[in-house]
Amino acid sequence: SQKIEQNSEALNIQEGKTATLTCNYTNYSPAYLQWYRQDPGRGPVFLLLIRENEKEKRKERLKVTFDTTLKQSLFHITASQPADSATYLCALDGGEKLTFGTGTRLTIIP
Amino acid sequence: DGGITQSPKYLFRKEGQNVTLSCEQNLNHDAMYWYRQDPGQGLRLIYYSQIVNDFQKGDIAEGYSVSREKKESFPLTVTSAQKNPTAFYLCASSIQGGQPQHFGDGTRLSIL
Repeated sequence: SQKIEQNSEALNIQEGKTATLTCNYTNYSPAYLQWYRQDPGRGPVFLLLIRENEKEKRKERLKVTFDTTLKQSLFHITASQPADSATYLCALDGGEKLTFGTGTRLTIIP
Repeated sequence: DGGITQSPKYLFRKEGQNVTLSCEQNLNHDAMYWYRQDPGQGLRLIYYSQIVNDFQKGDIAEGYSVSREKKESFPLTVTSAQKNPTAFYLCASSIQGGQPQHFGDGTRLSIL
């Protein structure tokens, strides 16, 4: 069956360092992958979309990679700030709908 | 400002009662979705709709019902058949299926 795994439930990173979050999937061949940010008690907010033929996508301090051979996406936040603390979700397209991972709770320590 | 409005933010239900959660969008999106979020389980899809007057079951549709009579509205009814309804419910919309989704701020449902 299809499965999406995000590397850990929680990740603590020192302010100013690069945070790297992992999304692995099995039994899936998505045309694209999306990353969302969710703050406590709020709905997720779309951040980035990367297509299967794109190796890397950037937006300000965010960078996403997509390796369809490894079936993995990496999400990087450079020069991390306490305001980046949130839960980050990856989502894979399934045609008409998306399937979400369980998320990684990122905490940036001042 | 365009967006998705979910109401109410908090909802309480007595055992055996049906309850309806509201979701309205003014983004002119064709597709709308309902998710349930439980601690540690991520988002699970309940129902989705690609177009007015049509909807499909998601992964956990049992005990829920929806309607899509207008493009901007996609209400979710949690029926008494749903044995464990306590959760955070999220509504989303997208231009079309599979595209980036815009989410509301959720309704937290609790059982009295």
